[in-house]
Amino acid sequence: QLLQSGGRLVQPGGSLRLSCAASGFTSSDYAMSWVRQAPGKGLAWVSSLLSGSGGDTYYADSVKGRFTISRDTSKNTLYLQVNSLRAEDTAVYYCAKSKYGSGMPYGLDVWGQGTTVTVSS
Amino acid sequence: DIQLTQFPSFLSASVGDRVTITCRASQGISSYLAWYQQKPGKAPELLIYAASTLQSGVPSRFSGSGSGAEYTLTINSLQPEDFATYYCQQLKIYPHVFGPGTRLEI
Repeated sequence: QLLQSGGRLVQPGGSLRLSCAASGFTSSDYAMSWVRQAPGKGLAWVSSLLSGSGGDTYYADSVKGRFTISRDTSKNTLYLQVNSLRAEDTAVYYCAKSKYGSGMPYGLDVWGQGTTVTVSS
Repeated sequence: DIQLTQFPSFLSASVGDRVTITCRASQGISSYLAWYQQKPGKAPELLIYAASTLQSGVPSRFSGSGSGAEYTLTINSLQPEDFATYYCQQLKIYPHVFGPGTRLEI
């Protein structure tokens, strides 16, 4: 239901746009997030975009000012623009859909398959 | 920011055992807590949300409890497919950080 693309090998300082195409639901009706996992490490929340056309955005301090989360409602697709990449950004990046109930965020209930970003010269 | 700690970080158990994993937040998070299971090379899966509610399709041997700043995930009668890494995540305020994980091995 979430199909990811865009990851590749990129040099330090480079840029990428990661994509996450939703099917079976309208992604703009839900908060959507990006989570990454460096090789051999745990999960790290990266960014979230709340539902609606003017949904608020949130970023981890480690990526603030370098990464931008956005969505194209016509394509039912979530994006993560990643700029000024560093070696420590090397990771598998997952997109995920938020589950809500009674206005309360419950967690991430649908995940993409992941896309690998490797930052190296 | 809220920090999460998990313990133990590594747990060795056998099929049929009962195990408990603890997640502790740096401040109260009012049950805004989720648990995930991740197997090698796979995306995480949501197990429990709102601290104690089982996600649809998750076996009933998984349960969650807790309040305030401390929460637990319990797995009764471990099955071979349960050997994985488990993460908690707080959803009370951004950033929605994850705990460092507990690796459950045979």
